Amino acid sequence: TQLLEQSPQFLSIQEGENLTVYCNSSSVFSSLQWYRQEPGEGPVLLVTVVTGGEVKKLKRLTFQFGDARKDSSLHITAAQPGDTGLYLCAGAVFRAGGYQKVTFGTGTKLQVIP
Amino acid sequence: DAGVTQSPTHLIKTRGQQVTLRCSPKSGHDTVSWYQQALGQGPQFIFQYYEEEERQRGNFPDRFSGHQFPNYSSELNVNALLLGDSALYLCASSLTTDTQYFGPGTRLTVL
Repeated sequence: TQLLEQSPQFLSIQEGENLTVYCNSSSVFSSLQWYRQEPGEGPVLLVTVVTGGEVKKLKRLTFQFGDARKDSSLHITAAQPGDTGLYLCAGAVFRAGGYQKVTFGTGTKLQVIP
Repeated sequence: DAGVTQSPTHLIKTRGQQVTLRCSPKSGHDTVSWYQQALGQGPQFIFQYYEEEERQRGNFPDRFSGHQFPNYSSELNVNALLLGDSALYLCASSLTTDTQYFGPGTRLTVL
């Protein structure tokens, strides 16, 4: 069973600060996704990373996939109140039969105070 | 291009009742997965449908069942509802093994 631990669980910061969220596992993943979710809504895909060591940037957000494809990080520069939400990582593993098993992390709840 | 849609948005049921939730996948997607999400936690995988068959299942009791139709839309059925079934139920669609895209969810409250 693949388990994804996210840290920190909660984060409350002032607008303009930087932050990093971590997603760690003992399992190797074929790919890893990061989602952001607002209360009462479905998760919205931010990025997919597939190659060990890969770094992707999305405006103020930087995503990195670990070299061994077991962990990932999300770094936000100069956080804004609009970044507030629940950040979820999800790791995918390909299974025999041609499908993938997706496991979600425990989530990081971010609050950015104006 | 419509994304993943779910209905109803909210639902209130009493213990012991049965409920059916519906999902229409994103255009071009053939795989539908269902998740249960408690408040402030990550989604828990219930099951996945592909070509009208349940392809994989998470650790949920048989009270949770589903169906996929020829047009790829899907239903989630929960029988004998318990208080603990109260949650946000999410549907995600994908094209076989590609990235999943989520619908807005159905908020189920069991009283």
